[in-house]
Amino acid sequence: QKEVEQNSGPLSVPEGAIASLNCTYSDRGSQSFFWYRQYSGKSPELIMSIYSNGDKEDGRFTAQLNKASQYVSLLIRDSQPSDSATYLCAPPVGALTGGGNKLTFGTGTQLKVEL
Amino acid sequence: SQTIHQWPATLVQPVGSPLSLECTVEGTSNPNLYWYRQAAGRGLQLLFYSVGIGQISSEVPQNLSASRPQDRQFILSSKKLLLSDSGFYLCAWNAPITGIMYEQYFGPGTRLTVT
Repeated sequence: QKEVEQNSGPLSVPEGAIASLNCTYSDRGSQSFFWYRQYSGKSPELIMSIYSNGDKEDGRFTAQLNKASQYVSLLIRDSQPSDSATYLCAPPVGALTGGGNKLTFGTGTQLKVEL
Repeated sequence: SQTIHQWPATLVQPVGSPLSLECTVEGTSNPNLYWYRQAAGRGLQLLFYSVGIGQISSEVPQNLSASRPQDRQFILSSKKLLLSDSGFYLCAWNAPITGIMYEQYFGPGTRLTVT
């Protein structure tokens, strides 16, 4: 089983709709999760961190974490064409001496927001 | 505020030539530093990480090496490039959010094409 699984897409949604991106992970010990957005040809940008079960909202973005099901999702409300990008899910897979962690990345879900 | 720099931005090198990519971080001290590679159409692969000067951990045995000669400088090298070394090379650093929680931020990346 892969450590992180995401539907590669593309996921197409009309402008103004809710985009739902999903991620499952295999490491039951993961305590925090990160969502990155990557525009074509650019480096990943951290857009959401979630550390506990439940929902976390930040503007149009909501991250949902269910540790029992090993499932994390990202909802984007009122989707805009500028949201068109690849979204990467990244749970930590190990703590480092002195602090910090290693992340493992899914292959990402490509989102297309259509006019 | 913290800033991460990478250079060069793009690089075209012949097979068998050496490689040196540099990453520097400003505005923080003793950061954890990471090198990732993203091959075309594929996910992010962690290559190396460092928790301090001179401390390098390799995640994947390959044709590359890393060094950390200064606290905020991380270098990725190769003595002889292979075609398979082509990709998007990303440097990242860990920012502490709380005592045990960290977030990882990426530099702008170096796009390497081996011909």
